[in-house]
Amino acid sequence: DTAVSQTPKYLVTQMGNDKSIKCEQNLGHDTMYWYKQDSKKFLKIMFSYNNKELIINETVPNRFSPKSPDKAHLNLHINSLELGDSAVYFCASSQDLQGYGYTFGSGTRLTVV
Amino acid sequence: GNSVTQMEGPVTLSEEAFLTINCTYTATGYPSLFWYVQYPGEGLQLLLKATKADDKGSNKGFEATYRKETTSFHLEKGSVQVSDSAVYFCALRVISSGSARQLTFGSGTQLTVLP
Repeated sequence: DTAVSQTPKYLVTQMGNDKSIKCEQNLGHDTMYWYKQDSKKFLKIMFSYNNKELIINETVPNRFSPKSPDKAHLNLHINSLELGDSAVYFCASSQDLQGYGYTFGSGTRLTVV
Repeated sequence: GNSVTQMEGPVTLSEEAFLTINCTYTATGYPSLFWYVQYPGEGLQLLLKATKADDKGSNKGFEATYRKETTSFHLEKGSVQVSDSAVYFCALRVISSGSARQLTFGSGTQLTVLP
């Protein structure tokens, strides 16, 4: 009964390809996020959606495009993959209530070769 | 703006040693404070939290007290185990009108416990 599930868990692809990562949450949360974790474990927020509406769009290349078909899903599409895109990508969800943290997915390790 | 400063790692301890990982913060408004743990190859899991000044969060032998006067939320454990080896993240979140509502993370501290 996974709360936040991401697929795939591992993704190895060549430079220049286009790929998608899917995320689904069954917690009834209103807000979903994408984070990128680099090799030094630093977490950087990329996007946030609240009830299907984009509310945070940090400085990321426009090759990255989030899509939220409904409030339980937030997918990440990446065009023209580059070596520097290799990282672990985490999806998370939360309620916008004081005291609430995030529930994270288990991550997608993307390797661009 | 909001920010979290964590003690730099890596930290290496022997089993049964005492652990402290320092965390200080700056925030506009009244933050909730969190510690997350990331075991190797896994996602982040909530370890403990505190939502107001002087609250103490605790879980699995770990504790942290929300100190407003020193803007700190240091993580402690009296006797670490090999299974505690992981990366620990301090984080804060402020929910108030006009503020960015995302969780702000520290840079993470790698802990290795040797048998």
